[in-house]
Amino acid sequence: DSGVTQTPKHLITATGQRVTLRCSPRSGDLSVYWYQQSLDQGLQFLIHYYNGEERAKGNILERFSAQQFPDLHSELNLSSLELGDSALYFCASSLSGSGTDTQYFGPGTRLTVL
Amino acid sequence: GQSLEQPSEVTAVEGAIVQINCTYQTSGFYGLSWYQQHDGGAPTFLSYNALDGLEETGRFSSFLSRSDSYGYLLLQELQMKDSASYFCAPWYTGRRALTFGSGTRLQVQP
Repeated sequence: DSGVTQTPKHLITATGQRVTLRCSPRSGDLSVYWYQQSLDQGLQFLIHYYNGEERAKGNILERFSAQQFPDLHSELNLSSLELGDSALYFCASSLSGSGTDTQYFGPGTRLTVL
Repeated sequence: GQSLEQPSEVTAVEGAIVQINCTYQTSGFYGLSWYQQHDGGAPTFLSYNALDGLEETGRFSSFLSRSDSYGYLLLQELQMKDSASYFCAPWYTGRRALTFGSGTRLQVQP
């Protein structure tokens, strides 16, 4: 158990819909990262938040957005969903968000778009 | 983007030693991490190298050569439970995030 929690575990929805994925970081960690992993693919970095502020952006679509709240939990919002958005979405947390930090991953949310 | 190369698949037998190589782009490179991911599971941290040389953690070791833009993960005394995907993940100062490739799928056979 990494100490990072993600809800829900599974999500099934239809094309065109909007969903929100939630992540609670480990106690004391200030950074949250979001990753997308499609079938048999590597992890694609989406976005990084540190202490409530966006720190880095990766391959995140304009239909996707995220935020980190004052209690440090984070939400990833996916809208106008397409079939290709079906994937595992992981969040990870780290202490400070520097390159030397270990990232602790949550169990992931499996999104299926039908 | 940042180019990152590691073999897609490696097969080895129980008790053997296997080396998973990783080459990465040099520009802005800060350090190299390794993560393990079992099927259906979350990635877990294995090792980190910022300086040249070998880092040893039990049966796993990781090596970095900054001059060659190259690193490897060495797994010794392989066990069936080591069957998983292994990702090298460089950190680039400008990007401020880990870059994960497609990973190396290791299959350990009896």
